[in-house]
Amino acid sequence: DADVTQTPRNRITKTGKRIMLECSQTKGHDRMYWYRQDPGLGLRLIYYSFDVKDINKGEISDGYSVSRQAQAKFSLSLESAIPNQTALYFCATSDTGTVNQPQHFGDGTRLSIL
Amino acid sequence: EDQVTQSPEALRLQEGESSSLNCSYTVSGLRGLFWYRQDPGKGPEFLFTLYSAGEEKEKERLKATLTKKESFLHITAPKPEDSATYLCAVQAGTGGFKTIFGAGTRLFVKA
Repeated sequence: DADVTQTPRNRITKTGKRIMLECSQTKGHDRMYWYRQDPGLGLRLIYYSFDVKDINKGEISDGYSVSRQAQAKFSLSLESAIPNQTALYFCATSDTGTVNQPQHFGDGTRLSIL
Repeated sequence: EDQVTQSPEALRLQEGESSSLNCSYTVSGLRGLFWYRQDPGKGPEFLFTLYSAGEEKEKERLKATLTKKESFLHITAPKPEDSATYLCAVQAGTGGFKTIFGAGTRLFVKA
C-alpha cells in the first residue's frame, strides 16, 4: 500500500462546484502539504500544516481551504471551483526534526474544471 | 526574488551517453537543495539532499553536486529506465517554511 494516498485520482467537475480532495498517510509524519503542478511551472505550495493544530498559507492559497482532521489526514477544498484551478494536485508529508527534511508525495489528483 | 531555474527543459540521450542537468538558484539563506524524480502519473520521488557548497551525493548512475549558485545532476551511462522528469527544489529563508521548486527537466533515454 502507498504511504501517501490521495483520493480521488481523477475528477472532472463544473465551474462553481465545491470539491474536496483528500490525503491520508501511514508514514507517521506530522508535517503535511498541498501543492499544485501546472505544465511548465514548478510545484507551488497551497497550504501546509506542521501538526494537527497548525495551518499555514502557502504561495497560492486564494480560492482554497484546508482541514487537518488528524495527524494522518489533510484535505483540500475548493469552495467554488473555477477553470484556472484545473491542475494536478499533490499531497506530501515530511518528518519533524530539522526543517530541511525531504518530502514524500502521493501520486496526485488530476482535476479538470469545465 | 527567490528563484530556481532548471535547464535544459528537455534532454534526449542515447543509452550510455552521459550528461548533466542543471539547477541554478538565487535564494536567501539556503537550508537545503533537493533532487526528485517524477515518472508520468506519479508523484515526485526523493533522490538527494545537499546542504552546503562542495557536497556530493551518489546513487547508482546519478551523482548530485552543489555550488553556491547551482547544482548539477550528473547521469553516467544512462539506461532507458532513467527516463523521467527530474525536479530540483530549494528550502530557503531564515524563518518560517519556504520551498521553491524548479519546473523540471524531462529526460528521454533511447535504447
